[in-house]
Amino acid sequence: QKEVEQDPGPLSVPEGAIVSLNCTYSNSAFQYFMWYRQYSRKGPELLMYTYSSGNKEDGRFTAQVDKSSKYISLFIRDSQPSDSATYLCAISVAGNNRKLIWGLGTSLAVNP
Amino acid sequence: DARVTQTPRHKVTEMGQEVTMRCQPILGHNTVFWYRQTMMQGLELLAYFRNRAPLDDSGMPKDRFSAEMPDATLATLKIQPSEPRDSAVYFCASGLVDKHNEQFFGPGTRLTVL
Repeated sequence: QKEVEQDPGPLSVPEGAIVSLNCTYSNSAFQYFMWYRQYSRKGPELLMYTYSSGNKEDGRFTAQVDKSSKYISLFIRDSQPSDSATYLCAISVAGNNRKLIWGLGTSLAVNP
Repeated sequence: DARVTQTPRHKVTEMGQEVTMRCQPILGHNTVFWYRQTMMQGLELLAYFRNRAPLDDSGMPKDRFSAEMPDATLATLKIQPSEPRDSAVYFCASGLVDKHNEQFFGPGTRLTVL
């Protein structure tokens, strides 16, 4: 079993829809939870970062962590065609040498 | 506009040839990462440097891959000899030790080994 599981999709939604992207993980020691966005033929870029449990909101994006279920989510409200990309979750434990453990990424297409 | 640069952007080579990929991290960053991305495996960490010292290369096939940082402005990843299964996109990323979760990625090198 992989340490982080993420459904690769693809996910296709109409413009304006609410999008829910999810990852599950197996190690309860993980404390840092990130969402990276990767446009086609580009490198990933950090979108949101959450420490421990709870929600974090940034504009149309909300990151949610449920440590009891080992489940993390990224919600996109009022999705736009410019949100079409691959979304990768990444998690890590505490400590300076901590590596990021990556999900496979979910491909999202927002259709005008 | 500070960004990570990688060369070459594309490389097509034949099996058995040596491949060298180069990366210039963002000035002032003290961590450098090499990743390989494929559809099947996603992003795999190959090597990790902190202050130019290799901290972790456990993800790298040691018999054919090597990674170095000859100075703070250059990181290299070499494959010798290359094999078709090495075909992938190779990303370099840099960051700061105390902001470990934010890694700044380069545009990648798309490698095809025939």
